[in-house]
Amino acid sequence: KAGVTQTPRYLIKTRGQQVTLSCSPISGHRSVSWYQQTPGQGLQFLFEYFSETQRNKGNFPGRFSGRQFSNSRSEMNVSTLELGDSALYLCASGYRDYPGELFFGEGSRLTVL
Amino acid sequence: DQQVKQNSPSLSVQEGRISILNCDYTNSMFDYFLWYKKYPAEGPTFLISISSIKDKNEDGRFTVFLNKSAKHLSLHIVPSQPGDSAVYFCAAGVGGYALNFGKGTSLLVTP
Repeated sequence: KAGVTQTPRYLIKTRGQQVTLSCSPISGHRSVSWYQQTPGQGLQFLFEYFSETQRNKGNFPGRFSGRQFSNSRSEMNVSTLELGDSALYLCASGYRDYPGELFFGEGSRLTVL
Repeated sequence: DQQVKQNSPSLSVQEGRISILNCDYTNSMFDYFLWYKKYPAEGPTFLISISSIKDKNEDGRFTVFLNKSAKHLSLHIVPSQPGDSAVYFCAAGVGGYALNFGKGTSLLVTP
């Protein structure tokens, strides 16, 4: 069974640009969550989608947005990039009937210069 | 504000001994708690969970204890093995969703 796939794995952007990250969940999983990991803050919850609807949102500015498609694939977008947005962005999928047991992808490493 | 705290950034234990990783939380609404393990260059993998109606859950060498009055949980690994060397994240949420993670504890198990 294929795991959670995130693309791209690595990318470098400059301040002010925008970026779109993609996540393909495990087949059959309808819940997709996004997390930001930084050395200073650990893993921080961005948002969760289930059946194309955002169900939960973390405490991030509006520059961070996401969406989920009918095939459960998800994208997140960060606009007007800042240096502090440099982080590992992790996507996780799960069966919403099994709370918390998330399956994580390997992440997209974003560097903002 | 950090609602889930892992106050020990690192821990070193000898192979065969017990590893105890600790976690504190501040939000009394949390009712589902989990531990994840993360190896370098990989995403976190689910290890074990516990709901607030229990105070202990075991899975092989891994046991999680929950003390609701102290808002504290711990993960015990017995016996510890070198392959357990990884970063361990504690997580908590309401209903198990929108998880709040701690900053992680790096466990090193030495032969």
